[in-house]
Amino acid sequence: DSGVTQTPKHLITATGQRVTLRCSPRSGDLSVYWYQQSLDQGLQFLIQYYNGEERAKGNILERFSAQQFPDLHSELNLSSLELGDSALYFCASGGLLHSTDTQYFGPGTRLTVL
Amino acid sequence: GQQLNQSPQSMFIQEGEDVSMNCTSSSIFNTWLWYKQDPGEGPVLLIALYKAGELTSNGRLTAQFGITRKDSFLNISASIPSDVGIYFCAGQLGGTYKYIFGTGTRLKVLA
Repeated sequence: DSGVTQTPKHLITATGQRVTLRCSPRSGDLSVYWYQQSLDQGLQFLIQYYNGEERAKGNILERFSAQQFPDLHSELNLSSLELGDSALYFCASGGLLHSTDTQYFGPGTRLTVL
Repeated sequence: GQQLNQSPQSMFIQEGEDVSMNCTSSSIFNTWLWYKQDPGEGPVLLIALYKAGELTSNGRLTAQFGITRKDSFLNISASIPSDVGIYFCAGQLGGTYKYIFGTGTRLKVLA
């Protein structure tokens, strides 16, 4: 158990809908990262937050947004969902040593868009 | 864009054999991380490397951070059936907070 929690574990929805994925980092970690993993693919970095502020942005679509709250949990919002958005979405949290984080992953949320 | 070339893509080995996989890039990385992922699960951190040339072991696993900071390798000694899974390297791009993941090495161990 990495100490990172993600909810829900599974999510099934329809095209055009909006969903929110939630992540709670390990106790003491200030950084939260979001990744997308499509079937049999590698992990695509979406976005990183550190202590409530956006720190780095990857290949995140404009239909997707995220935020980190004062209690350090984070939410990833996916809107106008398309079939191609079906994937595993992982959150990772990191303990900060200046710019160097060691990332610990949560169990993921499996999103299915029908 | 930046990418990590991870090889081999997949490998079948006999139980007890040693395994070696590596990641290379044309970009410089501050940090290298090696993960193992089982189907439907989150990646589990195996080894973290922070300094060029650093060699670190974790049980039967050994990884090294290349001197040029553009590559890393992971060795698994005396493989066992539970080593089956997908191994990913990840590097933190120099001068950024971004992490890039390799495409993975799928390992299958034959008993």
